[in-house]
Formats: sequence, C-alpha cells, structure tokens
Amino acid sequence: DVKVTQSSRYLVKRTGEKVFLECVQDMDHENMFWYRQDPGLGLRLIYFSYDVKMKEKGDIPEGYSVSREKKERFSLILESASTNQTSMYLCASSPGGASYEQYFGPGTRLTVT
Amino acid sequence: GNSVTQMEGPVTLSEEAFLTINCTYTATGYPSLFWYVQYPGEGLQLLLKATKADDKGSNKGFEATYRKETTSFHLEKGSVQVSDSAVYFCALSRTGNQFYFGTGTSLTVIP
Repeated sequence: DVKVTQSSRYLVKRTGEKVFLECVQDMDHENMFWYRQDPGLGLRLIYFSYDVKMKEKGDIPEGYSVSREKKERFSLILESASTNQTSMYLCASSPGGASYEQYFGPGTRLTVT
Repeated sequence: GNSVTQMEGPVTLSEEAFLTINCTYTATGYPSLFWYVQYPGEGLQLLLKATKADDKGSNKGFEATYRKETTSFHLEKGSVQVSDSAVYFCALSRTGNQFYFGTGTSLTVIP
C-alpha cells in the first residue's frame, strides 16, 4: 500500500516563527502536493512538485515556500508564521497520468498563536 | 477552465436511507473523475473513480457513473450506515499534475 506520512499531526507555533512541515511518500511517485483545508473552502493547492527540485505555484502560494531535494520528500515552509495560516495542511502524492489518483497523508493541524 | 461543483451540505440521514450527493464538473477534454472520503481527523482517501464516459466506479456500496452528456458524477449509496459519516469530495484531473476539488459535503448518519 502507498503510504504518505507527515511529520506531525498537531503543531502549535508562535507568530513570526519559521515552520517546517515534512511529507514523505514511499511509492516513488513523481508528483507531490501541498494543500490547506479550511471549513467552507475545501482544499486549496499551495504548491506542487512534478520532479526533484521542480515546483509550481498553486492557488495560494503567498507566505509559503517548498523544497524537494529528494524524490520521496516534499517540505512546506512557512517563513514567518501568521495567525491566518492556522489550518489543516494535507500532503498528497500521485504517480502522474490522468487516471491516477492522489494519495493523501493524515494531515497536520497547525495552530499559530 | 476546470472546476467541480458539488452539493452543499451538511446532509443528515437516518441509517439505511438512500444517499445521493450531486457533483457536476467543467473541464476541457476528457478528465478522470474521483470521489474521496475524509473521516474525522484523517486525510482524504480514494473512494472510487471513473476514467472515461459511461464508466461506473464502485466501492463499499457506493457508486458513481461518469455522465459526459450532463457533465456529472453523482455519488449514490442504497443504504447508509453510521460508519459512512464523513466528508465527501468530488474531484477531477486531466493531466495527473493538477486536481480540482469540490468544497466537500458533510454527511451525518444517525441511528
């Protein structure tokens, strides 16, 4: 079974801190994604990566950056956390191709105080 | 552009009731269509998918048929259980690099 793991299930950070969210997949997938999920807004894409060191901005990249140094790992970085970044963050991976689904991690509930 | 519209929730049903969650899409070309389910406190997991017109996806008693003529992919289940309480997301992808999700429909099934 494909497994996507995220470094933390719950995280509490202070405003202005630098925050790292890590995601690892074990199925050699080409594509990896970061979403945030907020009530009433569904999933919004922050960034995705289709290869090592390659990234594309999603719908809401402002205030975030990403890093993909190895194929299995995709990191989301909040350079200076703000309270409006309090959210559920979901990582996903997919092998590519239109008929292939995404596989999601369990999510990280981030609270910025 | 590509987009997914799904039925607003929340939906509350009694156990053994019939479930329909509507999903319509806008896309160029021929996308693949997906239903994902999210149980409380968890990430999304694939429930079923269909990759071409008239395909029917099915899993765990849930079904959805890819209707190109009505650009729809409605989710149905004949008899819901309490354990089906979750949030359901409809999604599409044309390339596998970008996925478009609906806003989710929360389902609560009461005994």
